[in-house]
Amino acid sequence: GDSVTQMEGPVTLSEEAFLTINCTYTATGYPSLFWYVQYPGEGLQLLLKATKADDKGSNKGFEATYRKETTSFHLEKGSVQVSDSAVYFCALSDENKLIFGTGTRLQVFP
Amino acid sequence: GAVVSQHPSRVICKSGTSVKIECRSLDFQATTMFWYRQFPKQSLMLMATSNEGSKATYEQGVEKDKFLINHASLTLSTLTVTSAHPEDSSFYICSARGGSGTYEQYFGPGTRLTVT
Repeated sequence: GDSVTQMEGPVTLSEEAFLTINCTYTATGYPSLFWYVQYPGEGLQLLLKATKADDKGSNKGFEATYRKETTSFHLEKGSVQVSDSAVYFCALSDENKLIFGTGTRLQVFP
Repeated sequence: GAVVSQHPSRVICKSGTSVKIECRSLDFQATTMFWYRQFPKQSLMLMATSNEGSKATYEQGVEKDKFLINHASLTLSTLTVTSAHPEDSSFYICSARGGSGTYEQYFGPGTRLTVT
């Protein structure tokens, strides 16, 4: 079945560092891809999405490009802030259901 | 907008008892609600999908008689864990989706269940 694999955390960075969180997927069809973020004590929030190959999703300085050839959807941000500390989940849609990766905790220190 | 609440946020119950978790969409009508379970350091696992006014659709391996889901209104779904056992201890998360043409799910903050 369809699945999502993302890098294990925690990822620890200093403020203003460059962030990459890797995500790869396995799917039989052409799913939409998502990044969700979960801040401490809150529910998951949609961060960005891409619905077809070569689409780039972006929001709040974060970006991810739907790469069909490498089945990847890596999350990037050029300069992280302490407020970006959270757990990030990569997900794909499969027949109206979401399939999640295991989540990657990001810790940003001043 | 698009806020989903869950109650309670934490619950402790004894083995053999039942516990009910509520999921509410506060500012929109949720035609579809989803229930997930999350184990430590693991991804969210979809348990079931419920549409308002109809029976829930359970994922393979999820016991429907143990995890009772009711979606009686467009703003409320409940998950009842019946005859709870320690292995049911987990983090339960609900999400809600609005009407046709909308695929985005809005997530609640989750409920931590501990069965002693």
